[in-house]
Amino acid sequence: GQQVMQIPQYQHVQEGEDFTTYCNSSTTLSNIQWYKQRPGGHPVFLIQLVKSGEVKKQKRLTFQFGEAKKNSSLHITATQTTDVGTYFCAGGSSSASKIIFGSGTRLSIRP
Amino acid sequence: NAGVTQTPKFRILKIGQSMTLQCTQDMNHNYMYWYRQDPGMGLKLIYYSVGAGITDKGEVPNGYNVSRSTTEDFPLRLELAAPSQTSVYFCASSLRGGSTEAFFGQGTRLTVV
Repeated sequence: GQQVMQIPQYQHVQEGEDFTTYCNSSTTLSNIQWYKQRPGGHPVFLIQLVKSGEVKKQKRLTFQFGEAKKNSSLHITATQTTDVGTYFCAGGSSSASKIIFGSGTRLSIRP
Repeated sequence: NAGVTQTPKFRILKIGQSMTLQCTQDMNHNYMYWYRQDPGMGLKLIYYSVGAGITDKGEVPNGYNVSRSTTEDFPLRLELAAPSQTSVYFCASSLRGGSTEAFFGQGTRLTVV
């Protein structure tokens, strides 16, 4: 079945440093979604990428979808304490009804 | 528009007890999902539904049952609770399955002792 792997599992950075998390799928995806979960909260949708090689930006966040549509990344420039949380990718296949999440990357920040 | 509502928020069960976690959504979404999240871990899909009357197993269905009699409601039933079912349970819904964003409820924190 479809598997979505995410690395690293944890990242602890100094405030102002950059952060990147990577997502890899065992199968070709029709789209990739990214979610953020604040500590004690629920996952909240950030963005969806659909096209091969697509790049989208949201302020300091940059999302990329690989050319083969099997991998994706989220890069945060100059982290702030408000970025703390766990970032999940979720892969969709063309026939998929279910949404399978990656294992998540937990970001913590030293002020 | 309340979105996805889960009840209860917290529950403590004794081993062997049963309970139903309630989930309702008011967005007229056909697709609904139940996930569990163990401490410090990711989201594992328990069951999902593509519409009223249709349900299917996810990654970790053992020990759980679901029903979907209406578009709005998707309750999750735990029979014979075990300590391994201690987790946070999230219900989610989406308009078109994996091709549209999922909206999550606030979660139910369940402890089995």
